[in-house]
Amino acid sequence: DTAVSQTPKYLVTQMGNDKSIKCEQNLGHDTMYWYKQDSKKFLKIMFSYNNKELIINETVPNRFSPKSPDKAHLNLHINSLELGDSAVYFCASSRTSVGTDTQYFGPGTRLTVL
Amino acid sequence: ILNVEQSPQSLHVQEGDSTNFTCSFPSSNFYALHWYRWETAKSPKALFVMTLNGDEKKKGRISATLNTKEGYSYLYIKGSQPEDSATYLCAFKASGTYKYIFGTGTRLKVLA
Repeated sequence: DTAVSQTPKYLVTQMGNDKSIKCEQNLGHDTMYWYKQDSKKFLKIMFSYNNKELIINETVPNRFSPKSPDKAHLNLHINSLELGDSAVYFCASSRTSVGTDTQYFGPGTRLTVL
Repeated sequence: ILNVEQSPQSLHVQEGDSTNFTCSFPSSNFYALHWYRWETAKSPKALFVMTLNGDEKKKGRISATLNTKEGYSYLYIKGSQPEDSATYLCAFKASGTYKYIFGTGTRLKVLA
């Protein structure tokens, strides 16, 4: 059973489009995260939700919006896609937001904006 | 701005060699340090969570130490095997924040 899953795995789209990436965890965790792996291979936190409440909201363009319908899901919507949004996006979850809990990562979604 | 640095950026070792690399982080407001192993085309997998100064953790041939006063952690691999080839990431968490700051990783290649 996949603990943290993301769909789609690959996403190729045109500039200006709106797209969503879905993330689901079946671990019963309270906290979920979205990370962006940039061109230098850095993993940078974008958002985090704890029990459906937004707790991390980093400086990202407001074209990016997370949505957590329940604590097992955290989706990422991106409006008006730009070339610079091309990256690998990773979802992760942890039991709590305390900081000593292991994060479990999804397989990543490679977004290519043409 | 919190900085987490890892060194070296990459290294090649021969099978059977032991190796170690460093994660440097701010020494103030320390809360936790995580180590991850990240194989190519896969997702990061947790190795250790370290919280106390002087902590030593071990999993098989891999171990880690923590010095929060001077702001560094070492990851050691004893008797490297080709399957140890991966990028090793550390992630620092300060107190008072939910955020993790990841280092850029050390890319290890073990040659058979």
